[in-house]
Amino acid sequence: DAGITQSPRHKVTETGTPVTLRCHQTENHRYMYWYRQDPGHGLRLIHYSYGVKDTDKGEVSDGYSVSRSKTEDFLLTLESATSSQTSVYFCAISDLSGTPGDEQFFGPGTRLTVL
Amino acid sequence: QQQVKQSPQSLIVQKGGISIINCAYENTAFDYFPWYQQFPGKGPALLIAIRPDVSEKKEGRFTISFNKSAKQFSLHIMDSQPGDSATYFCAASIVGGGADGLTFGKGTHLIIQP
Repeated sequence: DAGITQSPRHKVTETGTPVTLRCHQTENHRYMYWYRQDPGHGLRLIHYSYGVKDTDKGEVSDGYSVSRSKTEDFLLTLESATSSQTSVYFCAISDLSGTPGDEQFFGPGTRLTVL
Repeated sequence: QQQVKQSPQSLIVQKGGISIINCAYENTAFDYFPWYQQFPGKGPALLIAIRPDVSEKKEGRFTISFNKSAKQFSLHIMDSQPGDSATYFCAASIVGGGADGLTFGKGTHLIIQP
């Protein structure tokens, strides 16, 4: 998985609790992404980062925040988890060098269940 | 607003047959069209990609056909094998267009029956 790890891999939590997912890369890629994957919706971008402390919102950012204090780590936080945030979360990285294109490398995913 | 529409949602093909998955896009500025393959419990991985300066790209049993005027592209899997059973995502982006990168289709769940 291109030097990308996600932790935890599985988590069950209760509604209203805060949750933080971690993505760690060893590729020194500048760009990092958080997606959620749900049946019938494919991959939807939550937040992305284009450098240390530089982040922006994606398509489905409500209820999520991110932080990137180091090149290698990108954290996704659910401030107060809701059942609608039950999903599989994928981190991805990209060099965006323009050659051969915007290939993104994906981590193994975190399965989050909010009860 | 879905900028990349993918069909079908699911597909069952007999071993040895041809699997065809179609995608249509709206943004004419897109100039990079990858296909990602995802096995259960794994993250998506790049399978094959095409730029709009060619109408077809082939890698082994996998071929992308691209129709710029129709704003459509498709993935063909020749001699489909049970090991090809996976979820396939098409995507599109503007190379160098920004950090938000790829826009994905909703995916096709492909089953190859032995």
